[in-house]
Amino acid sequence: QVQLQESGPGLVRPSETLSLTCAVSGASISTYYWSWIRQPPGKGLEWIAYIYNSATTNYNPSLKSRVTILMDTSKNQFSLKLNSVTAADTAVYYCARHFKYSITGTTHFSYPMDVWGQGTTVTVSS
Amino acid sequence: DIVMTQSPLSLPVTPGEPASISCRSSQSLVHSNGYNYLEWYLQKPGQSPQLLIHLASERASGVPDRFSGSGSGTDFTLKISRVEAEDVGLYYCMQDVQTPRTFGQGTRVEIK
Repeated sequence: QVQLQESGPGLVRPSETLSLTCAVSGASISTYYWSWIRQPPGKGLEWIAYIYNSATTNYNPSLKSRVTILMDTSKNQFSLKLNSVTAADTAVYYCARHFKYSITGTTHFSYPMDVWGQGTTVTVSS
Repeated sequence: DIVMTQSPLSLPVTPGEPASISCRSSQSLVHSNGYNYLEWYLQKPGQSPQLLIHLASERASGVPDRFSGSGSGTDFTLKISRVEAEDVGLYYCMQDVQTPRTFGQGTRVEIK
């Protein structure tokens, strides 16, 4: 059974860097795409970034200048760093796995997010 | 970015009755391979989102068959054939045809 567990400080000061880790169990991190998604209080979901095999990353342009996603295969985990945070970055942060679904009869795939962590709340405040 | 618009935003339902949620995208979600890259997620109260549907109509593993997805291009629908009490929560559509992936605002389903 694949499980994801987010961890990191619950409180970050404005202008500082938010650092979160997602520990993966039950699956090799090298095999899948992995994403970070966040949800501000009372609001909807926002996709932040994904990583695959350490070398392939993709960022939401709205956050790209401040975000870095990294993978640590030795620990089977990946991380998120968001710098210069403001109150607008206050949110529940989720990590998720992208399942590689083979479309029957084709050579194509889809990559829905089939496993999510429980989420970790980060508050940006002085 | 592709804008996803859901309606209604709130949906009171009666157990045993059907329910339907609409999702429209600002651009076509048809990939070059001909498939629609549209996903549906349910976030139950106090929980993380869970995958219901991908490729617009493909039910994820373990999802009850009372859930079905349909649509193509820019118009999509999630239907629940007979709502059960455990189906309450926030339903989100999300496009996966281009990055950044974008979500709809969410539709809150609650029992009348």
